Amino acid sequence: DAGVTQSPTHLIKTRGQHVTLRCSPISGHKSVSWYQQVLGQGPQFIFQYYEKEERGRGNFPDRFSARQFPNYSSELNVNALLLGDSALYLCASSGLGDRGLHEQYFGPGTRLTVT
Amino acid sequence: GQNIDQPTEMTATEGAIVQINCTYQTSGFNGLFWYQQHAGEAPTFLSYNVLDGLEEKGRFSSFLSRSKGYSYLLLKELQMKDSASYLCAVNRDDKIIFGKGTRLHILP
Repeated sequence: DAGVTQSPTHLIKTRGQHVTLRCSPISGHKSVSWYQQVLGQGPQFIFQYYEKEERGRGNFPDRFSARQFPNYSSELNVNALLLGDSALYLCASSGLGDRGLHEQYFGPGTRLTVT
Repeated sequence: GQNIDQPTEMTATEGAIVQINCTYQTSGFNGLFWYQQHAGEAPTFLSYNVLDGLEEKGRFSSFLSRSKGYSYLLLKELQMKDSASYLCAVNRDDKIIFGKGTRLHILP
């Protein structure tokens, strides 16, 4: 059974461009979350989607947006890229039960470099 | 990490036991995760505690006290492959907030 998949693995963009990152959750999982991780820090929460609805948003500017599709895959879009957006972008999927998020599994991440 | 505190670095010896502590603000708390992250890799799920008490999974155990806003991850019979960062993350109001992680060094 495939785990969480993300594409692309690596990406190089220049300032001002936009980027789209993709994620496919574990089969049966309906919730997808996005995180940004810079070197030496823990992941920072960006968005959480469940059943195509946004359920949570972190402290990121409006340049960051996301959506979830009927098959539960998700895209993260970042517009007007800044040098500071260079980071590892992690997608995580989880099965939402009565207890709320229980086990959350991460994909391998997309390494974004902005030059 | 929005008031999630854990030590920056720890060092322990192969075969020994180490306890990594995590404290957090209790408002909006729904549960607490522990993850392991090796350099250059994505975090790997270790545990998720919702209720008070100790949960054991092989060499790893996680403890939670909701009233004290406190958790710890206990690693037994340390192996060299346990050298990694250990991330504490709180499920708070539909957001998962991570601490900065504890880098664990294992000495032979």
